[in-house]
Amino acid sequence: DAGVIQSPRHEVTEMGQEVTLRCKPISGHDYLFWYRQTMMRGLELLIYFNNNVPIDDSGMPEDRFSAKMPNASFSTLKIQPSEPRDSAVYFCASSPGGQSNQPQHFGDGTRLSIL
Amino acid sequence: AQSVTQLGSHVSVSEGALVLLRCNYSSSVPPYLFWYVQYPNQGLQLLLKYTTGATLVKGINGFEAEFKKSETSFHLTKPSAHMSDAAEYFCAVTNSGGYQKVTFGTGTKLQVIP
Repeated sequence: DAGVIQSPRHEVTEMGQEVTLRCKPISGHDYLFWYRQTMMRGLELLIYFNNNVPIDDSGMPEDRFSAKMPNASFSTLKIQPSEPRDSAVYFCASSPGGQSNQPQHFGDGTRLSIL
Repeated sequence: AQSVTQLGSHVSVSEGALVLLRCNYSSSVPPYLFWYVQYPNQGLQLLLKYTTGATLVKGINGFEAEFKKSETSFHLTKPSAHMSDAAEYFCAVTNSGGYQKVTFGTGTKLQVIP
């Protein structure tokens, strides 16, 4: 089975540019999560979706960040405009629906560097 | 509210030695507990999980963990470390009863010395 697929794997861009990160969850998984990982703050949940609907976006740092899930097989995380402090590894994860005892399946992440 | 504390951000063991990574949790209701492993430049992968039933849980790569309610602990162990075990390990907690957000610990980096 294909796992969670993220693209691009690496992104380097200049401050002020728009950045779009993409994620394809595992087929049949009802939940999709976006995380950010940094040395200073560890792993932070940004937002999660259930059946394509955003459920909790309280972790989104500010209005420059937005996430969408137009269908069950695709999600984007957008940063506009980007700032150097947004540099981090961004992970997408998915899990089957229903109960909390289902583990999350992570993609390999997008390493984002804002110059 | 729920939280998880991992004691020791870095742990070093010799190859062949016992691995012990500590995790304590806080939860107002019965928890579900997970250990994940992260290798360099990869996402987190599930090692093992506890939901209900047997308190000693066996996972992949020879790891196991024991749920101890009285100690609110879920420590991860492996009898004999292998060089390939060098990675970062995350303990995580959530609650039963429908979907709940998962709270991850801050991680423990395991170094295995030849």
